[in-house]
Amino acid sequence: DAGITQSPRHKVTETGTPVTLRCHQTENHRYMYWYRQDPGHGLRLIHYSYGVKDTDKGEVSDGYSVSRSKTEDFLLTLESATSSQTSVYFCAISNRGTDTQYFGPGTRLTVL
Amino acid sequence: QQQVKQSPQSLIVQKGGISIINCAYENTAFDYFPWYQQFPGKGPALLIAIRPDVSEKKEGRFTISFNKSAKQFSLHIMDSQPGDSATYFCAASTGTNAGKSTFGDGTTLTVKP
Repeated sequence: DAGITQSPRHKVTETGTPVTLRCHQTENHRYMYWYRQDPGHGLRLIHYSYGVKDTDKGEVSDGYSVSRSKTEDFLLTLESATSSQTSVYFCAISNRGTDTQYFGPGTRLTVL
Repeated sequence: QQQVKQSPQSLIVQKGGISIINCAYENTAFDYFPWYQQFPGKGPALLIAIRPDVSEKKEGRFTISFNKSAKQFSLHIMDSQPGDSATYFCAASTGTNAGKSTFGDGTTLTVKP
């Protein structure tokens, strides 16, 4: 998985609780991305980062926030989890914006 | 509005046969078209990619055919093997958009022995 780890790998939480997912890379790639994968929807971009402290929204950013204080870490936060955020979350990295994206192993999140 | 439409949703092929998955896009600014392979419980992994300056790219048993005028591209898997059974995603992105990719909905391929 190209030096990408995600934690936790599985999480069950209750509606209304805050949740933070972590993506850690050892490749020193500039770009990092958070996607969610749902049956029948492929992968949809939540947020991405093009450098430390530089982030932007993707197509499904509502209810999510991100932070990147170090090159190697990209955090995804659900401020108040809802059942519609039950999904598998993938982090991805790329060296340049036009390069191939390398994906992490995913985090399965269940919101009850 | 979905920018990348992928078909079929699922595909069953006999071992040794040819698997064909199609994608159509709308945004003419897209200039990078990768295909990803995903096994259950794993993240997607790049299989093969093409840029619009060529009409075909082949890597081993995998070939991308690209039709710029029709805004379509397809993945051909020759001599399909049971180990190819996975979900395949096409994607498209623009070089000016920080690599933000738009993905198709995926095709689940089953290769029967």
